[in-house]
Amino acid sequence: RKEVEQDPGPFNVPEGATVAFNCTYSNSASQSFFWYRQDCRKEPKLLMSVYSSGNEDGRFTAQLNRASQYISLLIRDSKLSDSATYLCVVNRPGKDSSYKLIFGSGTRLLVRP
Amino acid sequence: EPEVTQTPSHQVTQMGQEVILRCVPISNHLYFYWYRQILGQKVEFLVSFYNNEISEKSEIFDDQFSVERPDGSNFTLKIRSTKLEDSAMYFCASRRGGGGRETQYFGPGTRLLVL
Repeated sequence: RKEVEQDPGPFNVPEGATVAFNCTYSNSASQSFFWYRQDCRKEPKLLMSVYSSGNEDGRFTAQLNRASQYISLLIRDSKLSDSATYLCVVNRPGKDSSYKLIFGSGTRLLVRP
Repeated sequence: EPEVTQTPSHQVTQMGQEVILRCVPISNHLYFYWYRQILGQKVEFLVSFYNNEISEKSEIFDDQFSVERPDGSNFTLKIRSTKLEDSAMYFCASRRGGGGRETQYFGPGTRLLVL
């Protein structure tokens, strides 16, 4: 079983749509959670951290359910510039508080005019 | 805004050759990482480095790989004898420190092609 699982998509939505991505993780030792965004052939860039209480950043809302080991990302009012691959990422502790990021395979979003 | 830089952006090499990928992490960061992404696949952890030694390495990071922080700014990944399957995008990342909520910042990557 993959440690972080995501629906690969693609999600093809019109501008202005609301779209939701889901992610599950298998290792209960995972301590913190993030959504990264990756444009084609570019580096992953942090979109937002995910907290148990849920958090919002403009059009983006992230939720974490530790009991179900489930993470979600909601994008409201989609823009063309939101087209990218969204990576669900968990942070696992290591020696010396080094931590390491475990990435899902990503969900591809295409926003059309 | 400070950022992680990597050189070269692209590297083409022959199988069996040594390559060194270079990274300059963000200056006040203490933890350094290498990840790789084979085309069409997910980003995979290779190695973490702290206090001038490896903290953790993945199964991918075998004896052909090594990392070094030769001075106060550079962080390098060396592949001693490249194989075709080493072709990938290699990302360097750094983290300031603290607990698990500190995020890692990624460099733009080096695209390595082994022929």
